[in-house]
Amino acid sequence: GAVVSQHPSWVICKSGTSVKIECRSLDFQATTMFWYRQFPKQSLMLMATSNEGSKATYEQGVEKDKFLINHASLTLSTLTVTSAHPEDSSFYICSARDLTESYEQYFGPGTRLTVT
Amino acid sequence: GQQLNQSPQSMFIQEGEDVSMNCTSSSIFNTWLWYKQDPGEGPVLLIALYKAGELTSNGRLTAQFGITRKDSFLNISASIPSDVGIYFCAAYSLIQGAQKLVFGQGTRLTINP
Repeated sequence: GAVVSQHPSWVICKSGTSVKIECRSLDFQATTMFWYRQFPKQSLMLMATSNEGSKATYEQGVEKDKFLINHASLTLSTLTVTSAHPEDSSFYICSARDLTESYEQYFGPGTRLTVT
Repeated sequence: GQQLNQSPQSMFIQEGEDVSMNCTSSSIFNTWLWYKQDPGEGPVLLIALYKAGELTSNGRLTAQFGITRKDSFLNISASIPSDVGIYFCAAYSLIQGAQKLVFGQGTRLTINP
């Protein structure tokens, strides 16, 4: 099956610093990748849709200047949390859609961000 | 927005028992997906359903796409310890011209050996 990787798997940073999270589709090309955030004991909430070669589309309430998304190639999307604050601490998960497999969407293993 | 109501929120069962969970919505969907999430991991796709009335199995798992296209259920037969985790239903919704995956609230499954 399709594999999506994320790096790092966990990160601890100080308040005010920026953190970059990478999402890669390992064995397929993904023109579209998605970024989700999941708080403890809650469901996944879509933050933004990342389109290769164009600007990301952000969900209502998600600050685009705080969560910078870059989708430079068909296999890589990055999410940068700028000027992180403790309330940004969460589990960030990316996913990618393999267009050759209809609507099946594959998720990365997630990145646990802790802002101190 | 379009919401998926998943139930039950949690289940505590004995090993070997069968499990049933479902998702309902007031909206019609064309695709239903079921995922399992282990602690500290991303969701893993279990079953994808594309047609109303479709019944699909994956080992001990069986899922059905409701005939009204507003609901789906997932059954797990003869549960084993590794079935522990959180199960999410998901469906594609057309939001502002784009297909986006929306999730149910999840069903947390705990198994007593």
